[in-house]
Amino acid sequence: QSALTQPASVSGSPGQSITIPCTGASSDVGSYNLVSWYQQHPGKAPKLIIYEVSERPSGVSNRFSGSKSGNTASLIIYGLQAEDEADYYCCSYSVITTLVFGGGTKLTVL
Amino acid sequence: EVQLLESGGGLVQPGGSLRLSCVASGFTLTNYAMTWVRQPPGKGLEWVSTMSGSGASTYYADSVKGRFIVSRDTSKKTLFLQMNTLSAEDTAVYYCAKHSTAVVPAAMDYWGQGSLVTVSS
Repeated sequence: QSALTQPASVSGSPGQSITIPCTGASSDVGSYNLVSWYQQHPGKAPKLIIYEVSERPSGVSNRFSGSKSGNTASLIIYGLQAEDEADYYCCSYSVITTLVFGGGTKLTVL
Repeated sequence: EVQLLESGGGLVQPGGSLRLSCVASGFTLTNYAMTWVRQPPGKGLEWVSTMSGSGASTYYADSVKGRFIVSRDTSKKTLFLQMNTLSAEDTAVYYCAKHSTAVVPAAMDYWGQGSLVTVSS
């Protein structure tokens, strides 16, 4: 079962915007608007920040945004803040494996 | 308030078994799908198993199929993960997570704090 593909790391300075891509296939990301994103700080449980590609749960900052084009979903974080430094994971429904996660991306705020 | 509390983790020898529990509060298990996700030390998240809200459907990752069983006791508001024939590759923090609806594709909106399973002799 292949994981969705994410870059291992990204970085940005406070106030900047960054994008984390998540590439899948036609069996998952490409065919379903069921991509979610999770933020995980060290030693903590993951937290849902985006669902159904671009929807934000109540209480999540509007600095977090999601989109999708073809087989690639993206998480965009606007106006980077120090507290955004964390690991980020995408997840998609898959007709083959039910659910599949990306390998995770470590965001460093410089 | 929704809360998920895992327990049952610990040290187990290769080939052994362990049962994880996840006690749910603040919602009704039968109304939501539930999933187990694991995270090996220093690595990423891996989907393990999911049970639909009705309980009629269960799903497993290939890496655990035939060895792990997900079940629940609605009277005790508890989700279980029975893990058999464990190997070192199963060493991980195991999280239980609640989906936002009864069906599997919905996102996981609440997570427990995790339970560490270590498989070692």
